[in-house]
Amino acid sequence: QVQLVESGGGVVQPGGSLRLSCAESGFTFSTYGMHWVRQAPGKGLEWVAFLGNDGSSKYYADSVKGRFTISRDTSKNTLYLQMNSLKGEDTAVYYCAKSYTSGWFFDFWGQGTLVTVSS
Amino acid sequence: EFVLTQSPGTLSLSPGERATLSCKASQSVSNNYLAWYQQKPGQAPRLLIYGASNRATGIPDRFSGSGSGTDFTLTISRLEPEDFAVYYCQQYDSSPLTFGGGTKVEIK
Repeated sequence: QVQLVESGGGVVQPGGSLRLSCAESGFTFSTYGMHWVRQAPGKGLEWVAFLGNDGSSKYYADSVKGRFTISRDTSKNTLYLQMNSLKGEDTAVYYCAKSYTSGWFFDFWGQGTLVTVSS
Repeated sequence: EFVLTQSPGTLSLSPGERATLSCKASQSVSNNYLAWYQQKPGQAPRLLIYGASNRATGIPDRFSGSGSGTDFTLTISRLEPEDFAVYYCQQYDSSPLTFGGGTKVEIK
């Protein structure tokens, strides 16, 4: 079955960087697009970024554009989110989520990894 | 950018009752590209409905979605104890993808 396991979260100072990973199994990685979605403590869901199955189509929320980069390593079946110039408002649980075949909604989610930006 | 407004913010009901959740979009959602998710405390969201009315795999038939254009509804016909959670709608008509603010269904 589909499994998504995030890692790499932690505490980082404002202005710092962090790279999140999402290990994928149970499906053909290169067939589907992938997303990152975040949720600030006690708040709702916010879409962050999308990577197409071609590996080159990338879309970002305005709140992270220019600071975050989504990528993947097909040899490792792993999705990444490189986060630079982190701000307090980036504090959240970050989920990777698999995109449905024919629509940008999320049919499988990882368990999430917490990123805390604080001095 | 699509803005999705969910109402009510909180719905207090008893097991066995019917729940009706609303999601209104700031502009028409083409092709009914609207999904619903359920989230329980400490857990990742779970897909319930896509295409406004299609149940995801394994979702019980007490969950149903309806609507088109700017007005969408998630209905839970008879609440089970495990249904008390927060529900989010999401549009995937265009980027940026957006979610509603959520409706919490709590035990009365």
